[in-house]
Amino acid sequence: AQTVTQSQPEMSVQEAETVTLSCTYDTSESNYYLFWYKQPPSRQMILVIRQEAYKQQNATENRFSVNFQKAAKSFSLKISDSQLGDTAMYFCAFLLTGANNLFFGTGTRLTVIP
Amino acid sequence: KAGVTQTPRYLIKTRGQQVTLSCSPISGHRSVSWYQQTPGQGLQFLFEYFSETQRNKGNFPGRFSGRQFSNSRSEMNVSTLELGDSALYLCASSLLGSILGDNEQFFGPGTRLTVL
Repeated sequence: AQTVTQSQPEMSVQEAETVTLSCTYDTSESNYYLFWYKQPPSRQMILVIRQEAYKQQNATENRFSVNFQKAAKSFSLKISDSQLGDTAMYFCAFLLTGANNLFFGTGTRLTVIP
Repeated sequence: KAGVTQTPRYLIKTRGQQVTLSCSPISGHRSVSWYQQTPGQGLQFLFEYFSETQRNKGNFPGRFSGRQFSNSRSEMNVSTLELGDSALYLCASSLLGSILGDNEQFFGPGTRLTVL
């Protein structure tokens, strides 16, 4: 079975600063994908960034980047130059290759302070 | 292109009743997945439909069921509602039912179900 753990229920960061959200996962499989989703208050969940497990290079999307450590089963999200619009719940998610059911962590509530 | 839509957005039911939720995927998407989101259990996968067939099912009792129509719209039904069924029910659509390359899952706004 796959499990995803987010150990930081809540975090806050000053506007324009950098923050890192942690995620660890457990699986015996070698082919999978990892995702970070953002769920703003009362708004739809959107994909922030994805990482294919077979790629060694860490994914980057503008201000968002990941630190993927496959051996350690760690997948952290770094948000640079934090903006007020980054305030949201962030979910780490795992997907086995070929499957379509995401396994989610419990989420980290991030608040960006002006 | 319109996003994933879910109806109704809010629903209040009493224990023992049944409920049907609807999800319209993005035009052209053939896969619809359903998730339950609660404060205690987080986000949990319910089931996935692709081309009118259930391909995958999570660990939920048989009171939770679903179906998909030929136009890819999907419904989920919960019978004999319990207080613990109160949750935000999210559906997500993807083009081919496999998150590879650009076939990411797009989520709807959810249906907030309250069971009294």
